[in-house]
Amino acid sequence: GDSVTQMEGPVTLSEEAFLTINCTYTATGYPSLFWYVQYPGEGLQLLLKATKADDKGSNKGFEATYRKETTSFHLEKGSVQVSDSAVYFCALFDQGGSEKLVFGKGTKLTVNP
Amino acid sequence: ETGVTQTPRHLVMGMTNKKSLKCEQHLGHNAMYWYKQSAKKPLELMFVYNFKEQTENNSVPSRFSPECPNSSHLFLHLHTLQPEDSALYLCASSQEKGIGYEQYFGPGTRLTVT
Repeated sequence: GDSVTQMEGPVTLSEEAFLTINCTYTATGYPSLFWYVQYPGEGLQLLLKATKADDKGSNKGFEATYRKETTSFHLEKGSVQVSDSAVYFCALFDQGGSEKLVFGKGTKLTVNP
Repeated sequence: ETGVTQTPRHLVMGMTNKKSLKCEQHLGHNAMYWYKQSAKKPLELMFVYNFKEQTENNSVPSRFSPECPNSSHLFLHLHTLQPEDSALYLCASSQEKGIGYEQYFGPGTRLTVT
């Protein structure tokens, strides 16, 4: 079945550090890939997405590239801010498979000033 | 304006109680979802409604009973829960069910079963 694996947290960085959160997936169909962010006390918000191989999603300085050959969708940001502290979820929607959003376990990021 | 609201935000209930969670969306969407978020586990999709019809039930125990009286409101009725049901319950909505439609999430109800 479909599944998403993302790196275990928590991740703690200093402000302006480089961020990478790894995400890999397995899918039976042709998935679209997503990163969601959950700030403290709030629901999930869509951060970025990519719908086909080699697409790059980007938003708020975050980027992720859909790599079909490595079944990966790693999240990166060149310079994190304290306000980026949140839980980040990688997810897929498999149009030809489960046809529902499948999430990873989430990675908690804390950015210190 | 908050697109998806959930009440209550926190709920503590005993195993013999009956309670309900409420979700309301102000986005004009036609699909609504219930998810369960437990510590150190992926979000679990529980139920999906599309145009008020239940289209998915992911093997959820019958002690959880959803209700969707109209496209704007979704309820989750709870009875005789177990301590392992303690979790954050998230509601979401989208224009319709399917890949092209972004899901918008509410802030969740933190449920504790004692």
